[in-house]
Amino acid sequence: GAGVSQSPSNKVTEKGKDVELRCDPISGHTALYWYRQSLGQGLEFLIYFQGNSAPDKSGLPSDRFSAERTGGSVSTLTIQRTQQEDSAVYLCASSLEGRGTFTGELFFGEGSRLTVL
Amino acid sequence: DAKTTQPPSMDCAEGRAANLPCNHSTISGNEYVYWYRQIHSQGPQYIIHGLKNNETNEMASLIITEDRKSSTLILPHATLRDTAVYYCIVRVRAGGTSYGKLTFGQGTILTVHP
Repeated sequence: GAGVSQSPSNKVTEKGKDVELRCDPISGHTALYWYRQSLGQGLEFLIYFQGNSAPDKSGLPSDRFSAERTGGSVSTLTIQRTQQEDSAVYLCASSLEGRGTFTGELFFGEGSRLTVL
Repeated sequence: DAKTTQPPSMDCAEGRAANLPCNHSTISGNEYVYWYRQIHSQGPQYIIHGLKNNETNEMASLIITEDRKSSTLILPHATLRDTAVYYCIVRVRAGGTSYGKLTFGQGTILTVHP
């Protein structure tokens, strides 16, 4: 696709339920990032993938959060047993890092807004 | 990555130049300066980046001081659509391949008014 695609764009769930958020990066981008942004707050780094491996998971806030990436492309962020404090916009970004000439520019999707009731 | 300091907010009149400052006094020789912006309800958007030379593209100009301890992002003719949060970030280029995470601070809220 032309840009980073995220789904769903909006998700409302009940406390305690599991949710999955999907990110389709720009074709050919080797690096993929997940961030979250709570209402009125800055962007909080969650996890970084280079290919299918995640050399930096330092931002995952608890073991309820996990992410995987398959085929060097699509990534899924899973939140188990959701809590109200998990409510936020979850943003995915991809980048051409590691391939030829690159700028280090991250291309962001529009985000998935998660509301936990 | 080096910490950056930006003013929390700035105003600019439409059609005038917006000059957004950023201090990064602890920047290392292998760290680049990046600028992103985030318009309300959208994902962040890359603007420009540089190492030590001034840079210009279709969106903005980046002026980096000779000692690299500060920089200024210049929007030459601000429009109402430039109202956004502007983030100044310094980032290591690690080994020429992987950059690793981009750490966002609080940024500067730029309001362009008619």
